[in-house]
Amino acid sequence: QVQLQESGPGLVKPSETLSLTCSVSGDSFSRYYWTWIRQSPGEELEWIGYIYHSGTTNYNPSLKSRVAILVDTSKNQFSLRLNSVTTADTAVYYCARIVWWDHYYMDVWGKGTTVTVSS
Amino acid sequence: DIQLTQSPSFLSASVGDRVSITCRASQGVSNYLAWYQQKPGKAPNLLIYAASTLQSGVPSRFSGSGSGTDFTLTIIGLQPEDFATYYCQHLHSFGGGTKVEIK
Repeated sequence: QVQLQESGPGLVKPSETLSLTCSVSGDSFSRYYWTWIRQSPGEELEWIGYIYHSGTTNYNPSLKSRVAILVDTSKNQFSLRLNSVTTADTAVYYCARIVWWDHYYMDVWGKGTTVTVSS
Repeated sequence: DIQLTQSPSFLSASVGDRVSITCRASQGVSNYLAWYQQKPGKAPNLLIYAASTLQSGVPSRFSGSGSGTDFTLTIIGLQPEDFATYYCQHLHSFGGGTKVEIK
């Protein structure tokens, strides 16, 4: 059964770069799109972007200038880089799997990792 | 981008009740609409996709309907474990959520 696990620092200083990795186990990595979604405290879900095993990406326009999502197919991992962070980037960050060929939905999620932006 | 508006934002109900949550899209999305349940401190969990298809393992008391711009998530016979926040989703957009609490 597929599992996703986020990892990375829980504390990032303002103006620095947030870096997270999502490790995917037990799945056909190349069949799906893979996405990052975040949720600020008490707020709704915000899509950050997605990546395909080929490296194709798509980003939320509101974050596009600061975000990069990379893939390492040899490790079944994909990662998130968000630069120039501010306190507004404090959130729980989730990675998830996208089923895209018949409809479009996220059927498996990681547990989430909390990232706090603070000096 | 398509906007998804959920109503109500907050719903108070009792165990055994039938509850309905609405999601309205700013333009037609055919049946490309999914529903998720999120409990405090947990990741969202897929309930329904393609507007009305129940995800494997999800209890049959959950159902979805709708097409185009108007969609409904219905829970018949609310259980204690159903008190949570529910979100609709179309492509990269999520609704604002509906919190279902115990009356």
